[in-house]
Amino acid sequence: KAGVTQTPRYLIKTRGQQVTLSCSPISGHRSVSWYQQTPGQGLQFLFEYFSETQRNKGNFPGRFSGRQFSNSRSEMNVSTLELGDSALYLCASSLAGSGANVLTFGAGSRLTVL
Amino acid sequence: AQTVTQSQPEMSVQEAETVTLSCTYDTSESDYYLFWYKQPPSRQMILVIRQEAYKQQNATENRFSVNFQKAAKSFSLKISDSQLGDAAMYFCAAFNAGGTSYGKLTFGQGTILTVHP
Repeated sequence: KAGVTQTPRYLIKTRGQQVTLSCSPISGHRSVSWYQQTPGQGLQFLFEYFSETQRNKGNFPGRFSGRQFSNSRSEMNVSTLELGDSALYLCASSLAGSGANVLTFGAGSRLTVL
Repeated sequence: AQTVTQSQPEMSVQEAETVTLSCTYDTSESDYYLFWYKQPPSRQMILVIRQEAYKQQNATENRFSVNFQKAAKSFSLKISDSQLGDAAMYFCAAFNAGGTSYGKLTFGQGTILTVHP
């Protein structure tokens, strides 16, 4: 069974640009959540999607957005990039997004903003 | 609000020995889950163990076990017979099962574990 796949694995952008990251969940998993990991702030929750609906959102500015498609694949977008957006972005999938269903993480997308 | 605190930024252990990583949490919910995740240098986050708050029995997974003290809001991880492959960053995380906390894990700051041969 394939795991959670995130693309691209590494990317470099400049301030002011925008970026789109992709996440393909484990087959059968309908919930996808996103986390930002930085040395200073640690791991922070961005948002969670289930059946194409955003059910929960963390405390991030509106520049961070996401969506989920009918096949459960998810994308997140960051517009008007800032230096502080440099981070490892982790995607996780689960069967239904509740605590009883364990989150399985992808390998992450490493974003560097210059 | 929910908080998770790991007070040990770094720990080290000799191969084959036992090490305990500490974690405390704070939540106003009665129904929640606690997790330990491992993140090796590859950055892949891997589930180590899970504990349901309503269960009094401590969870165990092979060489990994937890000491769950609900009243003290403490959730420590014990690694027995440590192996070189256990070297990683370990994160304690909590999840509120109720309300609208879908998909939202709250993580501690992490503990870097070094295993010496």
